[in-house]
Amino acid sequence: DTGVSQNPRHKITKRGQNVTFRCDPISEHNRLYWYRQTLGQGPEFLTYFQNEAQLEKSRLLSDRFSAERPKGSFSTLEIQRTEQGDSAMYLCASRYTLATNTGELFFGEGSRLTVL
Amino acid sequence: GQQLNQSPQSMFIQEGEDVSMNCTSSSIFNTWLWYKQDPGEGPVLLIALYKAGELTSNGRLTAQFGITRKDSFLNISASIPSDVGIYFCAGGYSGAGSYQLTFGKGTKLSVIP
Repeated sequence: DTGVSQNPRHKITKRGQNVTFRCDPISEHNRLYWYRQTLGQGPEFLTYFQNEAQLEKSRLLSDRFSAERPKGSFSTLEIQRTEQGDSAMYLCASRYTLATNTGELFFGEGSRLTVL
Repeated sequence: GQQLNQSPQSMFIQEGEDVSMNCTSSSIFNTWLWYKQDPGEGPVLLIALYKAGELTSNGRLTAQFGITRKDSFLNISASIPSDVGIYFCAGGYSGAGSYQLTFGKGTKLSVIP
């Protein structure tokens, strides 16, 4: 399967713990996005990378959140000192850009976080 | 920030009926996308639209990019049970080298056999 891969698929943690999610994008895609989705809502943009550079961060991305894409391939999203409000599905998506900035995002299956 | 109004929020239809849902925005987009999401899964792309007025089909699905660039609709013809799920519209806008999608809140479709 050559789609976007995310793991773990599910994570249950206690409040105050740190969690890390990994995303492996489609191999030739140079842009990688993180979105968060809560129950009954559409996905909300968190941040995106072009290759290894983090180009934009949403106001939703508090100081407790950090994302990296060290070699321009896979990415990690870390949440420190988790809070119950962090419970959500964390979605990764990727796309390939040429000269134009339009196009589809292809999503992974998501990582569901439950903070107790 | 940009807001998308997607309607209806939910709908129950009989198998075989046609379905229509739409998305409106106060801002313009230069891409409209429609996704379907099953419980516990990520969104799967159904149709992508790139030009105002564009009408695109994918099997029983048809979507249109509104002339004003502020709206889009999705039609599903002859619904079947596997059409059940949540359908999301997403508007894409590129500016200053940035590109991201803004999503609606979804339309939950239930198909009664």
